[in-house]
Amino acid sequence: DVKVTQSSRYLVKRTGEKVFLECVQDMDHENMFWYRQDPGLGLRLIYFSYDVKMKEKGDIPEGYSVSREKKERFSLILESASTNQTSMYLCASSFSNGANEQFFGPGTRLTVL
Amino acid sequence: DAKTTQPPSMDCAEGRAANLPCNHSTISGNEYVYWYRQIHSQGPQYIIHGLKNNETNEMASLIITEDRKSSTLILPHATLRDTAVYYCIVRVDNNNDMRFGAGTRLTVKP
Repeated sequence: DVKVTQSSRYLVKRTGEKVFLECVQDMDHENMFWYRQDPGLGLRLIYFSYDVKMKEKGDIPEGYSVSREKKERFSLILESASTNQTSMYLCASSFSNGANEQFFGPGTRLTVL
Repeated sequence: DAKTTQPPSMDCAEGRAANLPCNHSTISGNEYVYWYRQIHSQGPQYIIHGLKNNETNEMASLIITEDRKSSTLILPHATLRDTAVYYCIVRVDNNNDMRFGAGTRLTVKP
């Protein structure tokens, strides 16, 4: 069974803290993605990666960075968390060839106080 | 720019077929139609996708009109567990993000 796992389901942090969200996939997928989901705004792409050490900005990269040192792991970093980064964060992965579907993790609900 | 248009909500009786429409009148020739669903507090789940031909899998059927400007997702025998938000997405290739719109909130009622 294919699997995308995220390090935490719920996380509470304080303004200014550095936050790490981890995502691991066991499907040997080349592509990995980070989205955030907010009510009324749908899913918005933050960053994606199509290979180890490669990264591309999505629609809303400001305030975030990413790291992909290994194929199976894609980390989202909030350098200095702010209250407007309170959101549901979703990680996804996919193969790079063909019109293949993205597989999503369960999400991390982050609250920044 | 919204590439797809879906009704905001629909109801369906348990055991009946749920037919969820999607308009994608500006779809390009090399764009696929994807359907995902999201059950409350979970990540989106892939259902089905297609290019031109109708597709069927164990979860659903996808009917794409001949001009490809609209499609319908069919859940043949809806259950209470099919209550979710259903998203219709068009996209070209696998390196790009999935542009989720607001979707259709399907409520299956006993």
